[in-house]
Amino acid sequence: AQKITQTQPGMFVQEKEAVTLDCTYDTSDPSYGLFWYKQPSSGEMIFLIYQGSYDQQNATEGRYSLNFQKARKSANLVISASQLGDSAMYFCAMRDGNMNSGYSTLTFGKGTMLLVSP
Amino acid sequence: GAVVSQHPSRVICKSGTSVKIECRSLDFQATTMFWYRQFPKQSLMLMATSNEGSKATYEQGVEKDKFLINHASLTLSTLTVTSAHPEDSSFYICSARGSPYEQYFGPGTRLTVT
Repeated sequence: AQKITQTQPGMFVQEKEAVTLDCTYDTSDPSYGLFWYKQPSSGEMIFLIYQGSYDQQNATEGRYSLNFQKARKSANLVISASQLGDSAMYFCAMRDGNMNSGYSTLTFGKGTMLLVSP
Repeated sequence: GAVVSQHPSRVICKSGTSVKIECRSLDFQATTMFWYRQFPKQSLMLMATSNEGSKATYEQGVEKDKFLINHASLTLSTLTVTSAHPEDSSFYICSARGSPYEQYFGPGTRLTVT
């Protein structure tokens, strides 16, 4: 079974609107971390936001927030007030197991391409 | 966020030659570094994990003799693609972990083997 599922291959949003990118995950470990990365056409992977499984509150970083619903195993990324520069591929990723272990690795979803129109 | 550099950003080499890609964490010490490969319009595929001072752990299906990884210091890891072939052409991305809750990526290296 896939550990990380991103069901939206592509999303369109108008500038200044909010958009939600979906991500569901699968793990039996009680300790895990969820990450979102942005990959523009240049190829670099830009870290956006992190949510720990034991965090009580949803993570926020500027215009990015993570809607963490633990019982549903979902970790959707919400981008508020979209900008043209937000057009990129977005990847959801998870680390589970021993978070302190050097061998605990990130598993990525297939990504969602977001296009922001004027 | 922390900065990870990768060099070169692009390289073209002839079939049969070897190519070395460097990955450096510029403002933090990375006990663990990772190497990923990404094909066009696909997700990142983990190739190997390297911990400073020990041998790399390769993912299933990744040839360790072909993709040599060295993690000589807390700020430098190298990936050498030996005897490169056209099917090795890809986008290679390194990543460095500072804390368990942070993982930063380099800008990637586009390898083309002719």
